[in-house]
Amino acid sequence: QLQLQESGPGLVKPSEALSLTCTVAGGSISSTDYHWGWIRQPPGKGLEWIGSLYYTGITYYNPSLKSRVTIAVDTSKNQFSLKLTSVTAADTAVYYCARLIAGVPADYWGQGTLVSVSS
Amino acid sequence: QSALTQPASVSGSPGQSITISCTGTSSDVGGYKNVSWYQQHPGKVPKLMIHGVSIRPSGVSNRFSGSKSGNTASLTISGLQAEDEADYYCSSFTTSTTYVFGTGTKVIVL
Repeated sequence: QLQLQESGPGLVKPSEALSLTCTVAGGSISSTDYHWGWIRQPPGKGLEWIGSLYYTGITYYNPSLKSRVTIAVDTSKNQFSLKLTSVTAADTAVYYCARLIAGVPADYWGQGTLVSVSS
Repeated sequence: QSALTQPASVSGSPGQSITISCTGTSSDVGGYKNVSWYQQHPGKVPKLMIHGVSIRPSGVSNRFSGSKSGNTASLTISGLQAEDEADYYCSSFTTSTTYVFGTGTKVIVL
């Protein structure tokens, strides 16, 4: 059974960078069938697709976040990561990592981790 | 990219059918057969209910069905049950090789 688990700080100061890691268990991140990505949800609000990557390192980003986002893969650890720079309170959200397949932004999800931006 | 447009809420009585719309553009919903629908109960992880416009993943009730016409996709819930009360989000692949979600719809079971 595939499992994804997010990890990282729950509190980030304004103007600093948010960094999260997603560890994939029960499947290989190097599978040619899937992409891997990040989705966020501000408290009480809707879902926002952040971006995704293929195990080769090819990335795709939400245009509205592209200037601040980096998603990277570490195949040796079966992990991928998210870095969001210059955060503000508007970046406070539950961040989910997910597996993407054939036009579906997420068929498997992590449990999500709340990241708050506050001084 | 702009979020796909969904009604804020849709309500119905148990046993009834309801339909949630999801309106985009020719650059997303209208251009691809890659529309998905997610159900999210409060405090829970979203669950994939429909993908490829009308395909139900294994384990999803056949009371849920999807369709698309032009730039608008729809999710229909038949035989509405109390457990269907949740938020629903559509999503679509886009011409920018990205994904976009809908604004979300709260389904209320009266």
